[in-house]
Amino acid sequence: DGGITQSPKYLFRKEGQNVTLSCEQNLNHDAMYWYRQDPGQGLRLIYYSQIVNDFQKGDIAEGYSVSREKKESFPLTVTSAQKNPTAFYLCASSMTKNQPQHFGDGTRLSIL
Amino acid sequence: AQSVTQLDSHVSVSEGTPVLLRCNYSSSYSPSLFWYVQHPNKGLQLLLKYTSAATLVKGINGFEAEFKKSETSFHLTKPSAHMSDAAEYFCVATMEYGNKLVFGAGTILRVKS
Repeated sequence: DGGITQSPKYLFRKEGQNVTLSCEQNLNHDAMYWYRQDPGQGLRLIYYSQIVNDFQKGDIAEGYSVSREKKESFPLTVTSAQKNPTAFYLCASSMTKNQPQHFGDGTRLSIL
Repeated sequence: AQSVTQLDSHVSVSEGTPVLLRCNYSSSYSPSLFWYVQHPNKGLQLLLKYTSAATLVKGINGFEAEFKKSETSFHLTKPSAHMSDAAEYFCVATMEYGNKLVFGAGTILRVKS
C-alpha cells in the first residue's frame, strides 16, 4: 500500500540534544512538508520541499533543519536551539501544489 | 492575508442527529478548500475538497460541504452522526499560488450515545 511512514512514533529528547524524525513516502510525490501540532493551535508549517535538493522555511523554522536528498525521504532534525520542542510532528506529501496533502501518523516528541 | 476560522472549538451532538461544523475563510482570491479529520494520535485524513468545479462537494463517510462565496464559508455537514465520527476536524485553504496550506484551529466533535 502507498503511504507515508513516520518513525519513531514516540521520541524523547534530553537537554542540548539534537534528534531526527524520519519521514518516508512511496507515493511518488514531489512535494513534502513538516508540520508541528500543539493543542488548540491547528497545524503550523515548519519546512517544505517542492523538489529534491530544494526546501523552504515555513512559518516556524527556527530551531529545526531538514534535508531532501531523495524524493521519498524528508527527515526533520529538532536542534537544541528549539527551546520548546514538545509537540506532535506531522509529515505530509502531495503530488504538486494545490493537490491535497497526504499525512503520516505523526511522531510525538517529549522532553526528558 | 489568507486565514481560516473555525467558528466552534467543540461541537457535541447525539448519535443519529445532524452534524454542522462551521468554517469561514478570508482570501483575496478563490482558494482551494479542504476538510480533514484527525483521530487521536493519528495523522490527518482527507474528507473532501473544493476546487471550483461544483459548490456542493460530497466526501467520504457521508460528509459534504457547500462553498458559498458570498458568505466566504465552507461548512461541513452530515445528516446523521455516528459514534465513529468523534474526532477533530480541520478546515484548510490553499494560500496564493497553492504552495502552502492554511489550517483552521480545529473543531472537536463529540458524539453522545
